[in-house]
Amino acid sequence: AQSVTQLDSQVPVFEEAPVELRCNYSSSVSVYLFWYVQYPNQGLQLLLKYLSGSTLVKVINGFEAEFNKSQTSFHLRKPSVHISDTAEYFCAVTFQGGSEKLVFGKGTKLTVNP
Amino acid sequence: GAGVSQTPSNKVTEKGKYVELRCDPISGHTALYWYRQSLGQGPEFLIYFQGTGAADDSGLPNDRFFAVRPEGSVSTLKIQRTERGDSAVYLCASSLRGDENEQYFGPGTRLTVT
Repeated sequence: AQSVTQLDSQVPVFEEAPVELRCNYSSSVSVYLFWYVQYPNQGLQLLLKYLSGSTLVKVINGFEAEFNKSQTSFHLRKPSVHISDTAEYFCAVTFQGGSEKLVFGKGTKLTVNP
Repeated sequence: GAGVSQTPSNKVTEKGKYVELRCDPISGHTALYWYRQSLGQGPEFLIYFQGTGAADDSGLPNDRFFAVRPEGSVSTLKIQRTERGDSAVYLCASSLRGDENEQYFGPGTRLTVT
């Protein structure tokens, strides 16, 4: 069965500290990978995605994720977090050749403390 | 431009009643998805439309759940004989076919069955 596992349900960190949110997936076919973020009282927003090409994906707000096919992982990292990064983060996959539905992990609640 | 909108934002109903939840996708998006998010969980796929037809309804939990998209734009998720276990946030997303699977989410409808 195809599934996504987020190993940490809650991650508390101090401001300006580095953070890594872990994501592993299980699939017998190739995948597209996504991280979505849900800020308090807001809807899901796409943070970054991996479709093909370079396995390291970076976005303008400092987050990055690396696709590791051998370890079936897509961990999200940020070298220095801000209070405003406090949110719930969801890893998700779609399966190439499938119906384009997203399969989500259970989410990781990141809390950045001053 | 306008994003995905969902109405109502909150719905409280009694066990056994019928409810309808509405989704207005982004104009021009041909693909529309419904997901359900229970407390402490990631979103779970329910159904996916490409145009007017349901391309994948494998996530509908039972025959009390039904969804339509008669003109290829607005979609309605219908739940008959509601049960307390149906309480969740129902999310709608849309995407432009060929847009590398990026799905844009609405704010959700919080359904509470008493």
